[in-house]
Amino acid sequence: QKEVEQNSGPLSVPEGAIASLNCTYSDRVSQSFFWYRQYSGKSPELIMSIYSNGDKEDGRFTAQLNKASQYVSLLIRDSQPSDSATYLCAVRNRDDKIIFGKGTRLHILP
Amino acid sequence: DGGITQSPKYLFRKEGQNVTLSCEQNLNHDAMYWYRQDPGQGLRLIYYSQIVNDFQKGDIAEGYSVSREKKESFPLTVTSAQKNPTAFYLCASRGSRQGGSYNEQFFGPGTRLTVL
Repeated sequence: QKEVEQNSGPLSVPEGAIASLNCTYSDRVSQSFFWYRQYSGKSPELIMSIYSNGDKEDGRFTAQLNKASQYVSLLIRDSQPSDSATYLCAVRNRDDKIIFGKGTRLHILP
Repeated sequence: DGGITQSPKYLFRKEGQNVTLSCEQNLNHDAMYWYRQDPGQGLRLIYYSQIVNDFQKGDIAEGYSVSREKKESFPLTVTSAQKNPTAFYLCASRGSRQGGSYNEQFFGPGTRLTVL
């Protein structure tokens, strides 16, 4: 089992709709979870961090964490064409390393 | 203006040559990392350093070398022993346990290396 798994996509979402990105992880003791956005040809940019079960909202972004199910998600409300990118889920594991998923490509349809 | 800088942005290398990629940070971060990204492969960890004068191999260290003589700098050398070096190289740093940004890891803009 891979440490951090994401659906590679592409995920196509109409402009103005909610985009839902999902991630599962294998290390039960993980405590820190991150979402990065990466535009084509650019480096990853940290957009959300979450450490506790539940929801964390920042503008149009909401991160959701369920440690019992080892599941973390990112919701993007009112999706814009500028949200089209690859979204990387990352988890800090028991060895204090941050492990990245391979990313989900998101395409917002105008 | 705090951040992580990488140079050059683009680098072309002939086969058999060693090249060094620069990474500098002024965030006062203790830990620094080098990743390689290939299409469809995600991020793969090459080397990391949690403190000055100390570094550890990541998952794909063969053909690479690093040094950490200063807190601010973590250069990566791609040697001629690296069989397939063409990739996008990303440097990252992470804050100290004493600071508020310990958990969060930030990336530089990257260097795109092409072997001719």
